[in-house]
Amino acid sequence: EVQLVESGGGLVQPGRSLKLSCLASGFTFSNYGMNWIRQAPGKGLEWVASISSSSSYIYYADTVKGRFTISRDNAKNTLYLQMTSLRSEDTALYYCARKHASVMDAWGQGASVTVSS
Amino acid sequence: DIQMTQSPASLSASLEEIVTITCQPSQDIGNYLSWYQQKPGKSPQLLIHSATSLADGVPSRFSGSRSGTQYSLKINRLQVEDTGIYYCLQGYSAYTFGAGTKLELK
Repeated sequence: EVQLVESGGGLVQPGRSLKLSCLASGFTFSNYGMNWIRQAPGKGLEWVASISSSSSYIYYADTVKGRFTISRDNAKNTLYLQMTSLRSEDTALYYCARKHASVMDAWGQGASVTVSS
Repeated sequence: DIQMTQSPASLSASLEEIVTITCQPSQDIGNYLSWYQQKPGKSPQLLIHSATSLADGVPSRFSGSRSGTQYSLKINRLQVEDTGIYYCLQGYSAYTFGAGTKLELK
């Protein structure tokens, strides 16, 4: 069974940093691209960042470019999202999702990030 | 950037009714269109990929179609468990989600 488990969320002050992790199991992690998607409270889904299977291709939404860094460790079956210079508008539930073709075919349960003083 | 215009924003329908949700991209996206269902407190689940292909395990009452540049999700014979929020997603150039359609039972 494909499983994606996010961790590392929490309450952080504006301007500070936070790193999310997503531990994958049930599939060959190194064969798949991965995504981070977020959902602000009561709002819709927003794509945040993508990384290819070998980390060769990385893309970001304009709203996080220059502040967030997506990375992965295939030996540890883990996807990361390093978030810096956090703002109140970054408050959201952050999902990791497996990429298959141009589709997000498996999602984690989400990690909550709250940016507030 | 590609924008996705999804409609309606909300929808109230009766059991067994046919429901249609549409998405209109701001430019050509080929068949790089997928649909997701999100229930309260849960993560989104893939329903349709490549505009018209049903994802594994998804009931056959769900279907996707494309007419020109407009994409549609159709639910035949609406069931109680189909309530939730539905999103389209374009994966042609980066990714863009539609704003979502909240589907409730009348």
